Amino acid sequence: NAGVTQTPKFRVLKTGQSMTLLCAQDMNHEYMYWYRQDPGMGLRLIHYSVGEGTTAKGEVPDGYNVSRLKKQNFLLGLESAAPSQTSVYFCASSLRGEGNSPLHFGNGTRLTVT
Amino acid sequence: SQQGEEDPQALSIQEGENATMNCSYKTSINNLQWYRQNSGRGLVHLILIRSNEREKHSGRLRVTLDTSKKSSSLLITASRAADTASYFCATHAGGTSYGKLTFGQGTILTVHP
Repeated sequence: NAGVTQTPKFRVLKTGQSMTLLCAQDMNHEYMYWYRQDPGMGLRLIHYSVGEGTTAKGEVPDGYNVSRLKKQNFLLGLESAAPSQTSVYFCASSLRGEGNSPLHFGNGTRLTVT
Repeated sequence: SQQGEEDPQALSIQEGENATMNCSYKTSINNLQWYRQNSGRGLVHLILIRSNEREKHSGRLRVTLDTSKKSSSLLITASRAADTASYFCATHAGGTSYGKLTFGQGTILTVHP
């Protein structure tokens, strides 16, 4: 049972380049999330999904887009990367969405934008 | 500012000692969760405590919640070197259709062998 898997683990982009981060979960969870983690800022929610085909904005959605075409996958896209998007990105999933269900996290993608 | 704020920011102890970390929050919550993050890894869920609960145990972990003071504490007893990690509290305030958690900035725990 792999849980939540993120690819890639590391990536370096130049300003203006685009990329997609992939998250896959094998726990049949309905809810999926993308967070970013920055020093001194804790984890901040970028986008989330309450089920296949749905997406919604979190706290810091600007500059990112997401898609949930399949229940087990949640993609995070950066259309035109900026240095401010240098961060560690975490995907998470949960069985239920009312906050009573623990989040299961992937091991993160470390992104550097130069 | 973050809903949950951990204290202290860093804690250094010897193996076998107890470690206590505190979390304060500002608004009413439905539940509070504690997570552990080892260096270079994702967060791992430890304990969830609901607003109507005062204390929960899981192995060497003990979590208390005082809603009147808007605070929670995580106690790790008989610490081990493997407990070295960052610990985060996360609060759920309800009123949303998804599991929106607000994370604090974490306490870095170092346990020396």
